[in-house]
Amino acid sequence: KAGVTQTPRYLIKTRGQQVTLSCSPISGHRSVSWYQQTPGQGLQFLFEYFSETQRNKGNFPGRFSGRQFSNSRSEMNVSTLELGDSALYLCASSTIPPGTDTQYFGPGTRLTVL
Amino acid sequence: GENVEQHPSTLSVQEGDSAVIKCTYSDSASNYFPWYKQELGKRPQLIIDIRSNVGEKKDQRIAVTLNKTAKHFSLHITETQPEDSAVYFCAASSGGSNYKLTFGKGTLLTVNP
Repeated sequence: KAGVTQTPRYLIKTRGQQVTLSCSPISGHRSVSWYQQTPGQGLQFLFEYFSETQRNKGNFPGRFSGRQFSNSRSEMNVSTLELGDSALYLCASSTIPPGTDTQYFGPGTRLTVL
Repeated sequence: GENVEQHPSTLSVQEGDSAVIKCTYSDSASNYFPWYKQELGKRPQLIIDIRSNVGEKKDQRIAVTLNKTAKHFSLHITETQPEDSAVYFCAASSGGSNYKLTFGKGTLLTVNP
């Protein structure tokens, strides 16, 4: 089975721009979670989608949004980019909602905001 | 919400020694506790997990213990090898309607040959 994939792998943007990141889960997985990883802060939960519904959201501003499609692929969007948004964005998929089953991570998208 | 504290933030051991990483959590409803290993430039990978109905779980050189009363759990790595060098993250989740894992800030383990 193919693993979780994320595109693009690297992005460079300037302040004020917006960005869309994509995540394709493992086939058959319906839950997709997104995390922001920065040095010293570890992995911080952004949101989780299951069957196209956002079921939980972390403590991030409204500039961070996401969605999930009927094929379980997910996208996250960050509008009005700030320097502090530079991070590795990871998505993870599982067969059932996280907390009850193993989450498998993608390779991440490295976002640099200049 | 859940809060997970992880210690130490860095750990250096000699090859062959044991390494122990400890985590505490705040939500008594948490019932799932995975550990992830992240090598430099790579994605986090699950190495072991434990559920609240079990006190200890072992997989070859890796073991995890859980003390629900004290709300802490620990990762034990025996006979460490240089390839064990990585960042290790603990996490906790209550499942149910709380669909997320809360991670500790990570421990950088260095195994010196």
